[in-house]
Amino acid sequence: NAGVMQNPRHLVRRRGQEARLRCSPMKGHSHVYWYRQLPEEGLKFMVYLQKENIIDESGMPKERFSAEFPKEGPSILRIQQVVRGDSAAYFCASSPNTGEQFFGPGTRLTVL
Amino acid sequence: GESVGLHLPTLSVQEGDNSIINCAYSNSASDYFIWYKQESGKGPQFIIDIRSNMDKRQGQRVTVLLNKTVKHLSLQIAATQPGDSAVYFCADLNQAGTALIFGKGTTLSVSS
Repeated sequence: NAGVMQNPRHLVRRRGQEARLRCSPMKGHSHVYWYRQLPEEGLKFMVYLQKENIIDESGMPKERFSAEFPKEGPSILRIQQVVRGDSAAYFCASSPNTGEQFFGPGTRLTVL
Repeated sequence: GESVGLHLPTLSVQEGDNSIINCAYSNSASDYFIWYKQESGKGPQFIIDIRSNMDKRQGQRVTVLLNKTVKHLSLQIAATQPGDSAVYFCADLNQAGTALIFGKGTTLSVSS
């Protein structure tokens, strides 16, 4: 059973561009979580989704950030008009229910 | 503010020693705690968890102790090995049970 997969692993964008981060949960997992990690910091919760529904987006910035988890395909975290402060590692986790969360390897976003 | 935090940002030990990593939390209503290990360039990896109705839980070479009176959590690693070198985070669940709240992490360095 493959683990949580994220791509790309590294993403470089210039200020003002869009960043799309993808997460494929573990097989059988219908719960997906996105976290952001700044250098030397712990992970910060952003959003929790189940298939086609956003359950908790209390950690998402109000502007420029959006997330989806369609019926088919991976979950997408989208950042529009990126700024340098968006540079961070973005981790996705999945779970079969609201229990243990299994993390992916992360996408490291660098904004030039 | 953060619910959990760690006392020390770094810990250096010799191979074979026992390691103790500490964590203090502020939310007395927290009832589920998890320790994660994060190696460089990777996502967090589940180590061990504990619920608030327990004081101690043991795994393979690891023990978690929970002191609810002083709101303190610790991770003990027996016979520390170089492969244990990583950043260790404690985390608990938010009130809704939908998101993990991470502390800042302790970097464990094991020398041979």
